[in-house]
Parts: sequence; C-alpha cells; structure tokens
Amino acid sequence: AQKITQTQPGMFVQEKEAVTLDCTYDTSDPSYGLFWYKQPSSGEMIFLIYQGSYDQQNATEGRYSLNFQKARKSANLVISASQLGDSAMYFCAMRETWPQFYFGTGTSLTVIP
Amino acid sequence: DAGVIQSPRHEVTEMGQEVTLRCKPISGHNSLFWYRQTMMRGLELLIYFNNNVPIDDSGMPEDRFSAKMPNASFSTLKIQPSEPRDSAVYFCASSLVRGTYSNQPQHFGDGTRLSIL
Repeated sequence: AQKITQTQPGMFVQEKEAVTLDCTYDTSDPSYGLFWYKQPSSGEMIFLIYQGSYDQQNATEGRYSLNFQKARKSANLVISASQLGDSAMYFCAMRETWPQFYFGTGTSLTVIP
Repeated sequence: DAGVIQSPRHEVTEMGQEVTLRCKPISGHNSLFWYRQTMMRGLELLIYFNNNVPIDDSGMPEDRFSAKMPNASFSTLKIQPSEPRDSAVYFCASSLVRGTYSNQPQHFGDGTRLSIL
C-alpha cells in the first residue's frame, strides 16, 4: 500500500482565494511526522510545514496551515490568500521512526490571476 | 546559514562515461539522503546515511550506482557507466535526527540536472 497518497494531480485557484491540497497517509506507527514541500518550476524543494502525530493543534506557518485529521489519516495543506508565486508542485511526506521519508506523487497548483 | 550544497548544477555527458555528483550537507546534520526525480517515477529515495554510515541502499537501481560519505560534510553519488535512462534530477537532502523519532524536516539542495546522451 502507498504510504502517502495525493489524489489531485492538478489544481487551479483564483488569486487571493484559499485552496486545499489533499494528502492521506498509511501507517501503523503511533509516532510519525507529516511534512509538506513546495517545488516551484525552478526545481528546488522548499520545506513548508510540519505536523507531528501527537500534536494537539493543527500546524500553521504564515499563509500555510495543515488540516490534520488523525482518525481519517489525512493531512491536507491549506493555502490562504493564494498568490501567483504559489504556483508550484506540492509534495506531502511522512516519516515514521526511521529517518526515511515517504513522498507522495505531488499536486500541481496553478494560481490564476 | 548555508543550505545543502550540490555540485554540479547541470551535467551533460555521453553514455558510458562516469558521473560523480557531490553534496555538502548542512553543518551539524547527521543524516543524508540521495533522491532521484523523474516525470515517470516521481521522487525516489536511492540511499540514506546516518552518521556517515549507509543505512538503506535498497533504492539504488543497480550496481552501476554507488554512494559514499567519507565524512560528515561530504557525500558523493557515482554512476559508472552512465546510461541515457539515468537522466534525471538528483537531489541530496540532509536532516538532524535525534533518537528514533525526530520532527526535523529534510533540507534539500538545489539538485543536479543530469542528462546522459
């Protein structure tokens, strides 16, 4: 089974609107971390936000927030007030006890002016 | 702070040649990861090191690929001989891992875009 599933290959959002990028995960480990990365067209991988399995509150970093629903095993990324510079690929990743990360296949986000 | 540094940024070479990709992790990080990214296969973990020791190389595609980490500040990924299907973007990432669980992210270098003709 896939450890990380991102079901939206492509998403469009109007500038200044909010958008949610979906991520579901599969693990039986009680301790795990969930991460989101952004990859713009220039190619670099940029860390955005982290959520730990024991965290009681949803993580937030500026315009990024993580909608963490543990029972559903989902960790959706919410980007508020979208900007043109948000157009990029977004990857969800999970780490269990070992340092290894499991990455999803990514979602391509296009912000429309 | 200096991030993960990879060199070269771009490499174009002919099939059969040896290719060496280099990575300098973030100072103080104790884990290092090599990934390959292609359109067809996405982001694949090739190998990772913890405290300079290779932990899992099951993602290395074949014996033509080898990786070393002689010290905490340097790693190489070598392909010999190279083939056109090795064309991809190769990323190095590093992280600080304490104990069996850590909330630290992996920090990626800018990648090496490799083209094998």
